[in-house]
Amino acid sequence: QVQLQESGPGLVKPSETLSLTCTVSGDSVSSTIYYWSWIRQPPGKGLEWIGYRYYSGSTHYNPSLKSRLTISIDTSKNQFSLELNSVTAADTAVYYCAREGHGGHDFGYWGQGILVTVSP
Amino acid sequence: SYELTQAPSVSVSPGQTASIACSGDDLGNKYVSWYQQKPGHSPMMVIYQNSRRPSGIPERFSGSNSGNTATLTISGTQTMDEADYYCQAWDFTSYVVFGGGTKLTV
Repeated sequence: QVQLQESGPGLVKPSETLSLTCTVSGDSVSSTIYYWSWIRQPPGKGLEWIGYRYYSGSTHYNPSLKSRLTISIDTSKNQFSLELNSVTAADTAVYYCAREGHGGHDFGYWGQGILVTVSP
Repeated sequence: SYELTQAPSVSVSPGQTASIACSGDDLGNKYVSWYQQKPGHSPMMVIYQNSRRPSGIPERFSGSNSGNTATLTISGTQTMDEADYYCQAWDFTSYVVFGGGTKLTV
């Protein structure tokens, strides 16, 4: 069974870089079939797609975040990561990692989410 | 950029049928997925490719997509179905797009 688990600091200062890691079990991030994604949800609001990456290196990012965003894969640890720089309070959210489902361009498996607060 | 629109809330009595709509330009030519999210939990996919149910999702959940509107239908709605529901599609220009979500009250 595929499981994903987010980890990282719960508090980041404005203008700094938000860094999160998703550890995958039950599947391999080296899979050439699925993409690996990040999605966030500000408190009390809806879901916002951040971006995804294939093992091959192909990435697609939300155009509104693209200039600040990097998603990378570490096959040795079976993890993928998110880096979002120059954060502001607007980046405060629960961040989820997810894996594509069987339908393509959907999200069949989700992590439990991690709340990241941007505050001095 | 591509946008999906959902009504903020829908109410239904237990045992009745709930319909949650998602609208977008030419949506019928895209694949739509639906996610259920209960308070304090991660979203869970209940429909993919417009009408297919993942393993373990009850048969009372069904989906359709035509024209500019996709619909999630819950037949014989139960109190456990009370949750937020999000539609999601993929578009060449915006890639992944989520609707704003609909709060279903049972």
